[in-house]
Amino acid sequence: GEDVEQSLFLSVREGDSSVINCTYTDSSSTYLYWYKQEPGAGLQLLTYIFSNMDMKQDQRLTVLLNKKDKHLSLRIADTQTGDSAIYFCAESRQAGTALIFGKGTTLSVSS
Amino acid sequence: DVKVTQSSRYLVKRTGEKVFLECVQDMDHENMFWYRQDPGLGLRLIYFSYDVKMKEKGDIPEGYSVSREKKERFSLILESASTNQTSMYLCASREGTGRNEQFFGPGTRLTVL
Repeated sequence: GEDVEQSLFLSVREGDSSVINCTYTDSSSTYLYWYKQEPGAGLQLLTYIFSNMDMKQDQRLTVLLNKKDKHLSLRIADTQTGDSAIYFCAESRQAGTALIFGKGTTLSVSS
Repeated sequence: DVKVTQSSRYLVKRTGEKVFLECVQDMDHENMFWYRQDPGLGLRLIYFSYDVKMKEKGDIPEGYSVSREKKERFSLILESASTNQTSMYLCASREGTGRNEQFFGPGTRLTVL
């Protein structure tokens, strides 16, 4: 299909790990991104991965990229209530064009 | 830090009114974008611009127009607002090369009565 796909909801307990999955469509996408949107706010870039990498770690965040399956995941270790937000996966298909976003995964963290 | 600002956080208009949503970025980015965000539909691209006075239709341009007279400013215009244009509107900018990261404004929540 043409869409970037994500599951819509994820619910975890505080302290657990969260894994948000995404499938993208264009194998030539150069960069893949994770954005975070807190309630009532715009989107902020959380992390990104270049397409020639398999994994990127940044503090509590781990991004895994499987190019063969066009699958991207975001793992948040030791999830906190402040991590509750909508997480968007996005791909950059062509230079100069808009990023293509998934519909977003709403992460709910309970204490 | 890149800053993208939008003229209003909340806006209430009546059906048929002409509505202007303004967006300004301070990092000399070539590319600017307008999206609308609706529950369950994610972000949908309305229009984008890759240079002054240049514009391209996105996925849902109907009922909207845009203006980019200066590099830093990208305006979204609703010529005659309708209730189905009630939504969150997000502006973004991006430089034309490199990491291609898009920087977003805080959003304008528009309600059309």
